Amino acid sequence: EADIYQTPRYLVIGTGKKITLECSQTMGHDKMYWYQQDPGMELHLIHYSYGVNSTEKGDLSSESTVSRIRTEHFPLTLESARPSHTSQYLCASSGGQGSNTGELFFGEGSRLTVL
Amino acid sequence: KNQVEQSPQSLIILEGKNCTLQCNYTVSPFSNLRWYKQDTGRGPVSLTIMTFSENTKSNGRYTATLDADTKQSSLHITASQLSDSASYICVVSDRGSTLGRLYFGRGTQLTVWP
Repeated sequence: EADIYQTPRYLVIGTGKKITLECSQTMGHDKMYWYQQDPGMELHLIHYSYGVNSTEKGDLSSESTVSRIRTEHFPLTLESARPSHTSQYLCASSGGQGSNTGELFFGEGSRLTVL
Repeated sequence: KNQVEQSPQSLIILEGKNCTLQCNYTVSPFSNLRWYKQDTGRGPVSLTIMTFSENTKSNGRYTATLDADTKQSSLHITASQLSDSASYICVVSDRGSTLGRLYFGRGTQLTVWP
C-alpha cells in the first residue's frame, strides 16, 4: 500500500467555516497533487506542487489554497466553506529520483460536506 | 481537444465471469496510459502502466491492451470476484515524465454479483 495519508476522512461543517484538509506522504516524493472528484465524474486537478515552496493552480478553478513547507506535507485550506465545495478531495504524490512513469499514489480521500 | 472516453459507464456481471472495459483517447502526443482501480470511498490504485511500445500487460487476473494506432485500450478481467466491484479509471499522459499532463476518464463502474 502507498504511504500517503489524508485526514479527516469525513467532514461535515457549516457554511462560512474555515477548514484544512491534511495530506502527508512518507515516500519522499517531490510532486504532490490535490484532485476534486464528484460522483460519476472524472478527477479534476485543483492544485499541485513540484517541491518545497512550489505550488501551482490546476485545471479546475478552486477557492482553496495550498502550501508546501515540508516535502512530506501538502495541506489544503478553504477560508470560508460553501455548499458548492461539497465534494471528495483526493491527495496524490508521484516521482522519486529516476522515476518517469508518473504513477500517482493516492490517499484515501477526504469527503467534505458543507451545509 | 484531448479527451479520454470510457465505456461502458457501468457494468454488472456474475461472479466468475469475464469482462472487458474500453478506453478511447484523443490525447496527443501520447506518452503512457494507466488503469486505476478505485474502491468505493477509497483512493484509486494503479493496476497497470502501458507505454507506446507495449501491446499487452498482465497483472494477475487483469490484462490491459493498447493499440496506439487506433488510440484504444482495454482492460480484461478474468474470472471475476466480488472484490473486483469498483470503478476502473483510464488515465492518459501526454509526456514521458512526471511533468506530463494527465487526462482522466470518468471510469467504468463494475459490479460483480454472487
